[in-house]
Amino acid sequence: GNSVTQMEGPVTLSEEAFLTINCTYTATGYPSLFWYVQYPGEGLQLLLKATKADDKGSNKGFEATYRKETTSFHLEKGSVQVSDSAVYFCALSGNTNAGKSTFGDGTTLTVKP
Amino acid sequence: DTAVSQTPKYLVTQMGNDKSIKCEQNLGHDTMYWYKQDSKKFLKIMFSYNNKELIINETVPNRFSPKSPDKAHLNLHINSLELGDSAVYFCASSQKAGTTGELFFGEGSRLTVL
Repeated sequence: GNSVTQMEGPVTLSEEAFLTINCTYTATGYPSLFWYVQYPGEGLQLLLKATKADDKGSNKGFEATYRKETTSFHLEKGSVQVSDSAVYFCALSGNTNAGKSTFGDGTTLTVKP
Repeated sequence: DTAVSQTPKYLVTQMGNDKSIKCEQNLGHDTMYWYKQDSKKFLKIMFSYNNKELIINETVPNRFSPKSPDKAHLNLHINSLELGDSAVYFCASSQKAGTTGELFFGEGSRLTVL
């Protein structure tokens, strides 16, 4: 079946530091890949997505590239802010299994001023 | 106008009680879901409905019963609550089952069982 493995947290960075959160996946077919963000006390919201190999998703300074050869979708940001403190989830969604999304375990990011 | 709204936001109750959580989406989506998030933030899908029809039913105790009166609403009823049911329950929707679209989440309902 499908699975998503993402970097364990928690991750603590200083403001303006570079961020990478690793995500690798196992899936049949050609899934779409997503990063969701959950701010404290809120639901998850889509941060970015990529629907095919070599696509790059980007939003709010975050980027991730769909790498089929390494089955990866690592999240990066060049300079994090305190407001980026949140839990980040990598996820995939395929055309099989009723389109069920598979989520990673989440990575908690804390950015200190 | 909230896209996916769920009520109540907080529920505190005693073991053995029965409780319900309601969810509504105004996005015109065909598919709705219930997810459970535990204290370590792990997300687990519980149920999915496509146009009022149950399409995903993960290994969830029979005490949990979803109901979808129409495609814009999905409710979750829990009987005989147990301590382990304490969690945040998220409702979500997506455009169409079997496609690879994004999920839209509600703000969550935090259930505490004492």
